[in-house]
Amino acid sequence: GENVEQHPSTLSVQEGDSAVIKCTYSDSASNYFPWYKQELGKRPQLIIDIRSNVGEKKDQRIAVTLNKTAKHFSLHITETQPEDSAVYFCAASGPGSARQLTFGSGTQLTVLP
Amino acid sequence: NAGVMQNPRHLVRRRGQEARLRCSPMKGHSHVYWYRQLPEEGLKFMVYLQKENIIDESGMPKERFSAEFPKEGPSILRIQQVVRGDSAAYFCASSPRPGQGSGNTIYFGEGSWLTVV
Repeated sequence: GENVEQHPSTLSVQEGDSAVIKCTYSDSASNYFPWYKQELGKRPQLIIDIRSNVGEKKDQRIAVTLNKTAKHFSLHITETQPEDSAVYFCAASGPGSARQLTFGSGTQLTVLP
Repeated sequence: NAGVMQNPRHLVRRRGQEARLRCSPMKGHSHVYWYRQLPEEGLKFMVYLQKENIIDESGMPKERFSAEFPKEGPSILRIQQVVRGDSAAYFCASSPRPGQGSGNTIYFGEGSWLTVV
């Protein structure tokens, strides 16, 4: 089955700096790669996703890049703000009956004011 | 359009009791997923269901855990004879049928926090 690895496990940045979180996946059939943000005691919320036919996607301060050859994808947050502090999870899923998401282990992002 | 609805939000059970967690998917969604999140850990896939059919239960423990999604009513995750190690947040998520709408995208409910004492 799919295996997703995520690094780093913790990340502290100064407000206004950029944050980058990286994930690798094992199943070359995976074609969908979402990122979720989870605040303490809350549900995971989808913040951005990318499909395998696209190399990069951007939404305001958030961008995701995908390298299918190397089987890795990254989340980039620019101009970080204290409210960006949360745990971020990457995930991967495949087509058809394999469409359930396999999650990375999470990155605790802390934005220092 | 209501999101994924889970209840109860918090549940306390004594060791050996049964826990039943319910999930109603988003309107128009026909697929339901259950994930477990242990304290300060990631989300682990448990089971993937559509109406009256279990598609993938590869993440379900072999004993004491079962899930269903009947033709009418919510999906139910049932844990029999709970033990302390079952204490976790259980998240339900839903998605449209493959090829419909946003495809693989899944949306999570607020979770059910189970505490076994």
